[in-house]
Amino acid sequence: DAEITQSPRHKITETGRQVTLACHQTWNHNNMFWYRQDLGHGLRLIHYSYGVQDTNKGEVSDGYSVSRSNTEDLPLTLESAASSQTSVYFCASSENPSGSRREQYFGPGTRLTVT
Amino acid sequence: AQSVTQPDIHITVSEGASLELRCNYSYGATPYLFWYVQSPGQGLQLLLKYFSGDTLVQGIKGFEAEFKRSQSSFNLRKPSVHWSDAAEYFCAVGPHNQGGKLIFGQGTELSVKP
Repeated sequence: DAEITQSPRHKITETGRQVTLACHQTWNHNNMFWYRQDLGHGLRLIHYSYGVQDTNKGEVSDGYSVSRSNTEDLPLTLESAASSQTSVYFCASSENPSGSRREQYFGPGTRLTVT
Repeated sequence: AQSVTQPDIHITVSEGASLELRCNYSYGATPYLFWYVQSPGQGLQLLLKYFSGDTLVQGIKGFEAEFKRSQSSFNLRKPSVHWSDAAEYFCAVGPHNQGGKLIFGQGTELSVKP
């Protein structure tokens, strides 16, 4: 069955370190998204991509970057981790930006703690 | 700016009772509408979606939602709640002019009393 996976599931890192969170989907979806989830804020969009070599900033993109070199993967990099980036991170993908296939499918999440 | 409001942060219902979770959106046209459920420690699972047509949509796990254009609402309902329904529920909208992006509400946490 097609799926979307994230690794690692849990990560503890120190302030100032570079961290990369992996996201891999086997749906063959063009669209991929990264969100962070914090109490009281719901899900906030960090970055998204509509295809290979395409990346776009979301509402909370400062301190994060992504790259899309193939359809299956959208790694999220924290250039210099800060305590404010302690959160749960979710990756999602969707098939079609418009019409009836617009729903997003979510990975299981990565819990990141920055000490 | 587009926004999604879930007025209830936390709701507690008794097992077997009916449930209604509220969702209101702010958008000039009818957007795509979704409800997701998140169990503790897990990702979000799609419950149901509305694109057009019949304003009452059926989803998985016995849930349904009704789109009311005049009220800009998309409330989620279930006639009889089970203990396993305890989770967090998110309403999301997909504006037509923003590609594949979704805007999420802040979520409603549902607790179920035995």
